[in-house]
Amino acid sequence: EDKVVQSPLSLVVHEGDTVTLNCSYEVTNFRSLLWYKQEKKAPTFLFMLTSSGIEKKSGRLSSILDKKELFSILNITATQTGDSAIYLCAVSRKYGVYGNKLVFGAGTILRVKS
Amino acid sequence: DGGITQSPKYLFRKEGQNVTLSCEQNLNHDAMYWYRQDPGQGLRLIYYSQIVNDFQKGDIAEGYSVSREKKESFPLTVTSAQKNPTAFYLCASSVRDRLNTEAFFGQGTRLTVV
Repeated sequence: EDKVVQSPLSLVVHEGDTVTLNCSYEVTNFRSLLWYKQEKKAPTFLFMLTSSGIEKKSGRLSSILDKKELFSILNITATQTGDSAIYLCAVSRKYGVYGNKLVFGAGTILRVKS
Repeated sequence: DGGITQSPKYLFRKEGQNVTLSCEQNLNHDAMYWYRQDPGQGLRLIYYSQIVNDFQKGDIAEGYSVSREKKESFPLTVTSAQKNPTAFYLCASSVRDRLNTEAFFGQGTRLTVV
């Protein structure tokens, strides 16, 4: 059975802190790992990772994938109150010849206090 | 503007009634998905469709039904057989491609049983 596990489930930090969110997975026919940020309603895309060891970066956010250990982390440096959200990790697995199926973790609820 | 539109944003249902949630996309995506989100449980897959006139059950399909008569549309019916339908429902779409696995989300429908 496909499984995506995120930790911690929730986190409270102060502005300026650095946080690390974790995602481990057990999925057959792996294609990619994706991170999303969900503030109010629709999750918005952050990163897609397909290769081990290559860091993806966007501003204060960065992420890396370890396909041997089946693990990914999302780092946020110098956190701001606007980073408060649910961070979702999803793994895309092959379905059929070209199709994909996304399996989501439970999410990490991050609250940044000013 | 291309995107995914879900309607309505809020929906109230009496026990024993069937309701249909709408999802329309103009991104020319082949694949479409329905997810349910409960507090602390991330996104769980209800149904997905990789192509018109074809769809598969996800992890929690009981009490739900879908159709995919047009590429742009993937409506979800919550039937009276669904024991606990109060939740936030998200529709997503993606290209049917092994390299591009990112899913785009609608703004969601919050269903409440009264």
